Amino acid sequence: AQSVTQPDIHITVSEGASLELRCNYSYGATPYLFWYVQSPGQGLQLLLKYFSGDTLVQGIKGFEAEFKRSQSSFNLRKPSVHWSDAAEYFCAVGGDGTGFQKLVFGTGTRLLVSP
Amino acid sequence: NAGVTQTPKFQVLKTGQSMTLQCAQDMNHEYMSWYRQDPGMGLRLIHYSVGAGITDQGEVPNGYNVSRSTTEDFPLRLLSAAPSQTSVYFCASSRGVRGNGGYTFGSGTRLTVV
Repeated sequence: AQSVTQPDIHITVSEGASLELRCNYSYGATPYLFWYVQSPGQGLQLLLKYFSGDTLVQGIKGFEAEFKRSQSSFNLRKPSVHWSDAAEYFCAVGGDGTGFQKLVFGTGTRLLVSP
Repeated sequence: NAGVTQTPKFQVLKTGQSMTLQCAQDMNHEYMSWYRQDPGMGLRLIHYSVGAGITDQGEVPNGYNVSRSTTEDFPLRLLSAAPSQTSVYFCASSRGVRGNGGYTFGSGTRLTVV
C-alpha cells in the first residue's frame, strides 16, 4: 500500500534562512508526487508536482523539490524563507492507472519562521 | 471562477443526526474526492469519484455515503453522526493527469458532533 512519511512534525527556521522539508514515500509503481501548503483555517494549495521527466521541479512561491527514486524521497526546498511561509506543509503520493485519484497524504510538517 | 465550493463552513450535530456536506466545482473536473483532516493524521481519503455515476471507497469510508449524479456536485452524507466524525472535511477536484494533475481543494467544513 502506498504511504508517505514526513518525519518532522515541527520545524523552526529563521527568516532569510534556507529550508528543507523531508518527504519519503512508499509506492509500488510510478509515483505522482505533490507538495501542498495549508495556512491556518484554510484549504490546501498546490505548491508543485512531479509526474515524470526532470527530477527537479519548480513550484510557486519560490519552492522547489527534487525527486530521488533511489531514496524514495521528494524533499521540498526554498533558499530563503519569508515570514509569510509559516504554514503547514503536506507531501502526497498517487500513482498512474487507478492510483492517481487516491492521493495519500503525509501527516504534515508545521513550519515556524522566527524573526 | 469559484473553484471548489463547500457548504456549510461550520456545523454542530448531535449524535445520531444525519446531514449532507455539499461540494460543487465549476471547473469541469472529472475527479472529485472527500478527505477528513484530524490533528496529527494528515488527510485521509473517505470517498472518491472518477466521473458522474462512478464512486468508490477510500481509506475511511464507514459512516459516510456519496453520490455523483452530475460532474459538478459531490455531496457527502453522514448517516448517523458519531463523535468520532468530529473533523474538518475537505472536498477536492482534479482534471487528472491530462490536466494540471493536482487537486484543487475547497476551504473546508468544520464539523463537531456532540
